[in-house]
Parts: sequence; C-alpha cells; structure tokens
Amino acid sequence: DAGVTQSPTHLIKTRGQQVTLRCSPKSGHDTVSWYQQALGQGPQFIFQYYEEEERQRGNFPDRFSGHQFPNYSSELNVNALLLGDSALYLCASSSGQGANIQYFGAGTRLSVL
Amino acid sequence: AQSVTQPDIHITVSEGASLELRCNYSYGATPYLFWYVQSPGQGLQLLLKYFSGDTLVQGIKGFEAEFKRSQSSFNLRKPSVHWSDAAEYFCAATFSGGYQKVTFGTGTKLQVIP
Repeated sequence: DAGVTQSPTHLIKTRGQQVTLRCSPKSGHDTVSWYQQALGQGPQFIFQYYEEEERQRGNFPDRFSGHQFPNYSSELNVNALLLGDSALYLCASSSGQGANIQYFGAGTRLSVL
Repeated sequence: AQSVTQPDIHITVSEGASLELRCNYSYGATPYLFWYVQSPGQGLQLLLKYFSGDTLVQGIKGFEAEFKRSQSSFNLRKPSVHWSDAAEYFCAATFSGGYQKVTFGTGTKLQVIP
C-alpha cells in the first residue's frame, strides 16, 4: 500500500518563475492538504482540497493556488516566486469522513535563487 | 487565538534516559491532538493521537502522551530513549474537528548522546 507520494523531491527555481508540485494521496484517501515548512519552523497550512474544490485556506497569498483531480491527486502552483518561498512543501492526505488524521509525504524541497 | 506551543526548542538526553517533551495549546474547547516526528530530510510520521476518552494514549516506537485538560497540555514521554529517536518532534492540533487544518507547534529538536 503506497503512502503519500510527492514529486519532485528537489527543485531549484529563480525569482519570478512559476512552479508546480505534485502529490498522490494514500490509497483510500480523498482529501489533500498542503503545508509549507520553512527552515527551523513547523509546517504552516496552505490549503485543503476535497471533491476537487478548495475547502479551506490558510494565510497565504493568491500566488499560491492548487488543484485536485478526479483521482484525488493534487497540484500546488506558486507564481512569481520570491526568495521567501524557499521551503519544504509537504502534502498530507486524509479521508473526508470522520476524524482528521493526516498522513504526510516526504515533501518537495524548493529553493528559490 | 488558537495555537500550539512547544516551549523547548532543543533538548539533549542521554541514551537510556527518560524523555518528556512539552506541548500546550490555546483553545476554548478540547482539540484533536497529535504528535509527529520528522527525521532529517523526511516527512512527518504520526506517533500518536488523542481525540477523546482515556487521557493517556500509547503510540508507536514506545512513546506515550498524556492529555491534561486543566493544564491545556499534551506532553510526550518515553521511558528510555534510543539513539534512533534523535529527530524533531512536532505537537499539532485540529481545533474544530472534522476537516479542518492542522496547526503545528514550532517543534522540539531532540539530541541523544551516548
């Protein structure tokens, strides 16, 4: 049973560019959440997708957008990259029903130069 | 405001010694509570969770945590630490239950010395 998988593992971009990160949820899960973890910090909630719609959003600018596909996989898009967007981006999946136990992938390390 | 606080940024313990990592939350009701562990370059692994019922919960890798409503705390414990336990530990909470976001503390980095 595959867990949460994210791609790519590492990514290097320059300021102003756009990036797309991908996530496949754990088998049987239909909800995907994205988090940003800056160096030395705890993860910060970006947004959550359920039934292909954004269900809740954290305090992140509109440069951060996402999408969920019919197979429950998800993408995180960041436009107009800033140096401060350098971080580990974590995807978590859960079941839309019942208690909210989220299972995390290994993350994508984004470096903005 | 709803928040999770981990007052210890860094803790060093000797192998075989006991461990307690502190966690407090700020909320008007009882949230769902979690402890996650993160090894270098890795994602987050769920150690244990508390939703309701017995206030002492058992997790994986020999960890346990105790929920104390009166202190708004959810401290993580292990009776005997192994070198492989060296990692960063995050306390987290879901404040409204259901589908809500998970709020994390800033983490406690655990160093284990021989």
